[in-house]
Amino acid sequence: KAGVTQTPRYLIKTRGQQVTLSCSPISGHRSVSWYQQTPGQGLQFLFEYFSETQRNKGNFPGRFSGRQFSNSRSEMNVSTLELGDSALYLCASSLVGYLQETQYFGPGTRLLVL
Amino acid sequence: AQKITQTQPGMFVQEKEAVTLDCTYDTSDQSYGLFWYKQPSSGEMIFLIYQGSYDEQNATEGRYSLNFQKARKSANLVISASQLGDSAMYFCAMREISSNYKLTFGKGTLLTVNP
Repeated sequence: KAGVTQTPRYLIKTRGQQVTLSCSPISGHRSVSWYQQTPGQGLQFLFEYFSETQRNKGNFPGRFSGRQFSNSRSEMNVSTLELGDSALYLCASSLVGYLQETQYFGPGTRLLVL
Repeated sequence: AQKITQTQPGMFVQEKEAVTLDCTYDTSDQSYGLFWYKQPSSGEMIFLIYQGSYDEQNATEGRYSLNFQKARKSANLVISASQLGDSAMYFCAMREISSNYKLTFGKGTLLTVNP
């Protein structure tokens, strides 16, 4: 089975631009979660999607948004980029997102905002 | 309050020795799940081991075992026979029903295995 894939792997943007990151979960997985990882804040939960609905949301401003498609693929969008948005963005999938389920992570997208 | 606390920012271990990475957690839920992940310098998070709050036995997966002490709310990862490839960041994480099943991570421990 193929793992979680994320595209692009690396991205350089300038302040004020917007960016869209893509995540394809493991086949059969319907829950997709997004995380931001920075040296200062560590791993922070952004949001989780299940069956095309946002089921859970972290404490991020409205500039961060996401969506999930009927094939469970997910995208996240960051508008009006700020320098502080430079981070590793990780996507993870699990079957339905319940307590005992393992989340499997993709390789991440490294975003640099200049 | 921190949900997951990893008190060791960095740890060193000699190759072939065992090492314990500490993790304490804070929850009022009766049912929860604890996970350990490894993150090499490449960035990908690799799942290592899982322990459910109702599991009576400590979890084991190959060279990884979890020392689960529920009353003390600790879930320490033990790596036996360390290998050079074990050098990485290690994260403890928890899933709770009260947090709507989201995965909350600790700050991590950077493990360096010396030859």
